[in-house]
Amino acid sequence: DARVTQTPRDKVTEMGQEVTMRCQPILGHNTVFWYRQTMMQGLELLAYFRNRAPLDDSGMPKDRFSAEMPDATLATLKIQPSEPRDSAVYFCASASGGSGGETQYFGPGTRLLVL
Amino acid sequence: GEDVEQSLFLSVREGDSSVINCTYTDSSSTYLYWYKQEPGAGLQLLTYIFSNMDMKQDQRLTVLLNKKDKHLSLRIADTQTGDSAIYFCAEISGGSYIPTFGRGTSLIVHP
Repeated sequence: DARVTQTPRDKVTEMGQEVTMRCQPILGHNTVFWYRQTMMQGLELLAYFRNRAPLDDSGMPKDRFSAEMPDATLATLKIQPSEPRDSAVYFCASASGGSGGETQYFGPGTRLLVL
Repeated sequence: GEDVEQSLFLSVREGDSSVINCTYTDSSSTYLYWYKQEPGAGLQLLTYIFSNMDMKQDQRLTVLLNKKDKHLSLRIADTQTGDSAIYFCAEISGGSYIPTFGRGTSLIVHP
């Protein structure tokens, strides 16, 4: 059945290293979201794309985070340089993107630990 | 901005009913969702309700919506240990692509 996939599932890295997380949305979905989940902040929206164009990335620290959609089947979230406070679970979600209100389908997440 | 509030924890005995509550502030909410997150997994849509409905039932799940009080609840009948998870309430306004999520309620089911 159709589902959102994310890689890697787990990532441990050292402070200062670059981290790249990948997401494959459900085929045919044209809206993609990146979220970060921590115990302290809960679920935070980092960025979202519609038809591969970034519509809102105001939730993302601009100096170190970047999000792109090189094509309709791949979304990436990069952190460079990574810091310990970036440790969290990062979720990608996709939606069919009609007139609004569409259900989001979440991937399994990438668990990031920055030492 | 708009806000969605949930209590953080709920503990129930196996076989009892669970009721998870949620309040929201956006009076233009048109869709309201319940998501379930099991350990180590992403959020999975459980059920949703349109704002012009006041109840929706799906097997063991019953969603009640009080639009006047902006209150949403999820009732799980005959709660099982497999229901232990975090439950997120979310709302979205018509024409918007971005839902507002609550902090999640951790449901703990004990024997």
